[in-house]
Amino acid sequence: RKEVEQDPGPFNVPEGATVAFNCTYSNSASQSFFWYRQDCRKEPKLLMSVYSSGNEDGRFTAQLNRASQYISLLIRDSKLSDSATYLCVVTIYNFNKFYFGSGTKLNVKP
Amino acid sequence: DTAVSQTPKYLVTQMGNDKSIKCEQNLGHDTMYWYKQDSKKFLKIMFSYNNKELIINETVPNRFSPKSPDKAHLNLHINSLELGDSAVYFCASSQGGSVTDTQYFGPGTRLTVL
Repeated sequence: RKEVEQDPGPFNVPEGATVAFNCTYSNSASQSFFWYRQDCRKEPKLLMSVYSSGNEDGRFTAQLNRASQYISLLIRDSKLSDSATYLCVVTIYNFNKFYFGSGTKLNVKP
Repeated sequence: DTAVSQTPKYLVTQMGNDKSIKCEQNLGHDTMYWYKQDSKKFLKIMFSYNNKELIINETVPNRFSPKSPDKAHLNLHINSLELGDSAVYFCASSQGGSVTDTQYFGPGTRLTVL
């Protein structure tokens, strides 16, 4: 079983739509969580960290559900420029391990 | 003002050759990483160095050898290239050696082995 799993998509949504992705992780010892964004043929860039209490950054909201072992990313009022692949990252601090998901592709259409 | 740079950006070579990819960061970070991203977009950590010392060494064929001459540079040498080595290789850096530190990625090196 993979450490981190994501629905590869693609999620095709119109501009202005709200879209949400989940990322499940298998190791209950996982401690820190992040969302990275990767544009086509570019490098990944940190989008936001995911805090236990949930956090928001403009149109983006990240949440953590430890009981069900998943994190989520919600994007409101989607823009064309949000089209990208969204990678989740799960870390296990005590074992100095981190794992990237294979990403969820989002296409925002006019 | 490039933060993390890699050379070359594209590398096309024959099976059996030996090649190197170079990475430099000007962020003053202590830790650098090499990742491989395959055709399915799965990003897998290969190595990590903290202040020139190897701290992460995942299961990677020993044809791959990282070298860190100083903490601003981490190069990757690959011997006897195979078809399966074709991928995008990303270098990254972070301030400290913790897995929770934000990582800053280079633009990637697209390696094609023919």
